[in-house]
This record gives sequence, C-alpha cells and structure tokens, in this order.
Amino acid sequence: GQQLNQSPQSMFIQEGEDVSMNCTSSSIFNTWLWYKQDPGEGPVLLIALYKAGELTSNGRLTAQFGITRKDSFLNISASIPSDVGIYFCAGAPGNTPLVFGKGTRLSVIA
Amino acid sequence: DTGVSQNPRHKITKRGQNVTFRCDPISEHNRLYWYRQTLGQGPEFLTYFQNEAQLEKSRLLSDRFSAERPKGSFSTLEIQRTEQGDSAMYLCASSPFPKTGLRTDTQYFGPGTRLTVL
Repeated sequence: GQQLNQSPQSMFIQEGEDVSMNCTSSSIFNTWLWYKQDPGEGPVLLIALYKAGELTSNGRLTAQFGITRKDSFLNISASIPSDVGIYFCAGAPGNTPLVFGKGTRLSVIA
Repeated sequence: DTGVSQNPRHKITKRGQNVTFRCDPISEHNRLYWYRQTLGQGPEFLTYFQNEAQLEKSRLLSDRFSAERPKGSFSTLEIQRTEQGDSAMYLCASSPFPKTGLRTDTQYFGPGTRLTVL
C-alpha cells in the first residue's frame, strides 16, 4: 500500500529555534494535511494543503504542498515549549482515506 | 461546534471479552472514519461511512471487528473476542459533505479511546 516517509523521526531543539520537517511519498496526493498529537490525545489539524505549490501559514507554522505532489514540508518558527509533541503528515490520494507518516517527535529545551 | 467526541476514553478488558466504542462526529459532517494507532506509529485506517453506508474497510479490520452507523450520526466500533494485539488507541474522525467550499478529505479527529487488553 501507499506509504509516507516522514523525517526526521525526532528532533531536540532549543527554545526559539526554527524547525523543519518533511514528508515524501512514492505516489501523488491531492491533499496534504499536518497534525499535532499530544500524549493520550487525538491528532489536531494544523494546516491543510489542497494545491500543488501552495504555501500556507498558521501563526508560526508554515507548510507547503510540493509541486510534484509527492512531498510536503512543515516549518515552525521561533519554537516554544508548548510546541512539544508528535507531528504527523497525512496525504489523501484522492477520494480515499488518509495515509499517515510515522511522525516527528519534537522536544524543545527551554 | 463541540468537535468529535469518543467514549469511553479508556477501556481495560480481559482477553476474550467484547468491547464497544462510540464516536459522535461534528454535527454537520456526513463522513465518519475509524483509525487504529499503536505506539510509535501514525494512525492506520480501519473503515469509513458516508451517512449510514459503510463504504470501505481495510484489511486490518478482521472479522472480529464490526462498525455501524445506523442513523448516519454516531457510530460504534465493536471488537469481539479481544486479543492482546488489539491493544491500541482507536481514533474516530469526521469530514464534511462534499460540496463547494468544503473538502471531504479534511478530517477532524476525536480524542481517541485507549484500549488495553490484559
């Protein structure tokens, strides 16, 4: 089945640093979504991308839909302690359920 | 808008017992999805409904699993004869009706039900 490769698997950064993570796929997606999940909770939608090349921001978060439609990245600027969590990318190949990456675990050192 | 809700949040059961989880989607959403998430992994698709119709089932959904959405509103996921390998977080998500301005592939998740099978 379809798989998403998400990297890095984990990151340790200092508070105030910028963060970048990405997802790649072997197949084309029509939609890319980025979620954040805290321990014991469900994923919370951060950003949704619907068009190749689209660049969308949500506060300190910026995500882009790759022009090949096979990749996406998420940037977090000026990280703060509450950014700690697991970030998941998810892709929708079409009118079918989402495919998720394995997540990037972010730790922020104050 | 109260978001997607799931009950119970936690369930501990003994191997061989049956368990049932409930999901209440966002009220105007007509699509409802079930996912399973194990430690260190992303959510994996199990099944989804459009209104009351179950449109797709993953090969992960063994015959011990059954999901229903009888009135096109809330949904239940039942696991019969639970096994230790069923221990996971079970997530429900919903997405809106496919029409102009609303994307059906933008899914909103509930808080999940954590199942532990002893």
